[in-house]
Amino acid sequence: DGGITQSPKYLFRKEGQNVTLSCEQNLNHDAMYWYRQDPGQGLRLIYYSQIVNDFQKGDIAEGYSVSREKKESFPLTVTSAQKNPTAFYLCASSVRTGGTSYEQYFGPGTRLTVT
Amino acid sequence: SQQGEEDPQALSIQEGENATMNCSYKTSINNLQWYRQNSGRGLVHLILIRSNEREKHSGRLRVTLDTSKKSSSLLITASRAADTASYFCATSPPDDYKLSFGAGTTVTVRA
Repeated sequence: DGGITQSPKYLFRKEGQNVTLSCEQNLNHDAMYWYRQDPGQGLRLIYYSQIVNDFQKGDIAEGYSVSREKKESFPLTVTSAQKNPTAFYLCASSVRTGGTSYEQYFGPGTRLTVT
Repeated sequence: SQQGEEDPQALSIQEGENATMNCSYKTSINNLQWYRQNSGRGLVHLILIRSNEREKHSGRLRVTLDTSKKSSSLLITASRAADTASYFCATSPPDDYKLSFGAGTTVTVRA
């Protein structure tokens, strides 16, 4: 059963705490992405990775960090420096492209609430 | 940055009717993609149209692309209640594989 899994589905944290969101894929995709979605808005790119041990900042990377130690895994840490962390976080993957985009496969998302 | 902008923001139609939504973008693109998102879920890829294509079909979906006007439309024919969702267009510039998503059109299909 191929796909992308994100856990947990709902996450609650106190302000000032770091929290790590999990993303795993078994599609053998090289590229992985993290997006943030706020109510009534589109997706904004936080970080992306083309290959293992390499990643780049997206449009809203401040207050977030990632790692890509394995091809299948791309965890996102929301740090205490992120001013408005409450949001819906989506992980996606795609075939590595080398200059053109292909369809992205999305996980079910993690809804993070920070109080 | 969000390059694509969908119009309208929301659309309510009767089951069986057609739904049309539009996407406008600002810069040159490699391709344009449409995704669907059911409430509280991840996005599902619907269709990809390349910059050298003008129209594409997939089942009840029809997508057009007009690069001279920097716009695309998504038509859902014979809508069903299950089509109730938000629809997003996403673009990627030439020589890049990152996607920029619009804010989406929320479609409600009434039974």
